[in-house]
Amino acid sequence: DAGITQSPRYKITETGRQVTLMCHQTWSHSYMFWYRQDLGHGLRLIYYSAAADITDKGEVPDGYVVSRSKTENFPLTLESATRSQTSVYFCASSEPGANTGELFFGEGSRLTVL
Amino acid sequence: GEDVEQSLFLSVREGDSSVINCTYTDSSSTYLYWYKQEPGAGLQLLTYIFSNMDMKQDQRLTVLLNKKDKHLSLRIADTQTGDSAIYFCADSGGYNKLIFGAGTRLAVHP
Repeated sequence: DAGITQSPRYKITETGRQVTLMCHQTWSHSYMFWYRQDLGHGLRLIYYSAAADITDKGEVPDGYVVSRSKTENFPLTLESATRSQTSVYFCASSEPGANTGELFFGEGSRLTVL
Repeated sequence: GEDVEQSLFLSVREGDSSVINCTYTDSSSTYLYWYKQEPGAGLQLLTYIFSNMDMKQDQRLTVLLNKKDKHLSLRIADTQTGDSAIYFCADSGGYNKLIFGAGTRLAVHP
């Protein structure tokens, strides 16, 4: 199906484990983003990518790693999960030059770190 | 850095108007946005306003922009229970990045 999909939708892990959240989009959008959503903080940008092999830090990048070897995929890895990384993670994409700069969001990945 | 602030909670009676307010700091924004998030879902663009506009109307939605005060508001006329959601104000931060507020949870009661 066309769109932006995230997996897994739900994940429970333990402190210190590595976790990878996957994001796949079918529009060939150039830009992709990872946000985390926490109560009282809204959405905060973790990392973004302007094109394949180009990534940059957002507001809260510590403890996260991203890669973008293909335009359509933008995985987010927590190398050693901590309880403070318990959150809902949203992937989004957009196309530069589009009329409004609208971001298209996935449905989110809820991560719990015990 | 850039910041977007909005109140966290609003409760209205069904049929009344809802007004959600937002302030932002980046005066160079091209667009300002309102996104809606329903329970268990991602965000979807509700409406937006170009920075050289003062007002935009879209059916039951009215967006007002005061650039001098860096204040944005979203008015929902005849609020329905289906409007219950979290509403995020967002400011364009370059590279198509958006800076989001904390979100206003709108509760609509009979």
